[in-house]
Amino acid sequence: QQQVKQSPQSLIVQKGGIPIINCAYENTAFDYFPWYQQFPGKGPALLIAIRPDVSEKKEGRFTISFNKSAKQFSLHIMDSQPGDSATYFCAASSRNTDKLIFGTGTRLQVFP
Amino acid sequence: DAGVTQSPTHLIKTRGQQVTLRCSPKSGHDTVSWYQQALGQGPQFIFQYYEEEERQRGNFPDRFSGHQFPNYSSELNVNALLLGDSALYLCASSLVGRNYEQYFGPGTRLTVT
Repeated sequence: QQQVKQSPQSLIVQKGGIPIINCAYENTAFDYFPWYQQFPGKGPALLIAIRPDVSEKKEGRFTISFNKSAKQFSLHIMDSQPGDSATYFCAASSRNTDKLIFGTGTRLQVFP
Repeated sequence: DAGVTQSPTHLIKTRGQQVTLRCSPKSGHDTVSWYQQALGQGPQFIFQYYEEEERQRGNFPDRFSGHQFPNYSSELNVNALLLGDSALYLCASSLVGRNYEQYFGPGTRLTVT
């Protein structure tokens, strides 16, 4: 019940494409859903986050879509660039624990 | 605004040895969490410290212990190292009341031979 399932494991798109990464959860106590971007040899960087009371959030080229009834959320990267090539992790936490439960990661490659 | 810093960057140890990793939180943050990230996996929560006490702990053995100092910096200690402890160890800092919003340091790459 504590798991966050993430797909796909890897994704290849061309510059300008819109990669979509999906995550699903079971624990209805989760109330905060961040996305992190990690480059090789670096720590994860907080990209964008959403709470269950909204269905969509946009920050720059990054958009989170949230479906509370399906217990799913996804990250869309608009107009993707080669510099977006990284591993992306979804995560979830609840007020009760404050610890982050991470998905298994998606390795994104954006080709020019 | 100083971000989360960790030291050392890399470390090589032998099985059975002990290791200490260090973390300084982002300026203004008072809570530190530690995560273990195995190669190709997502980070796994080890424990969280606030006001110099362990608030909560993940599914890690007692060989993993920590400490938080009055200036909010923190240490992670691992005793009796196993080959399986080889991983990237990440420190994340946050502000109490907003502990869901965690900012990560660059990590310490530990290799156990």
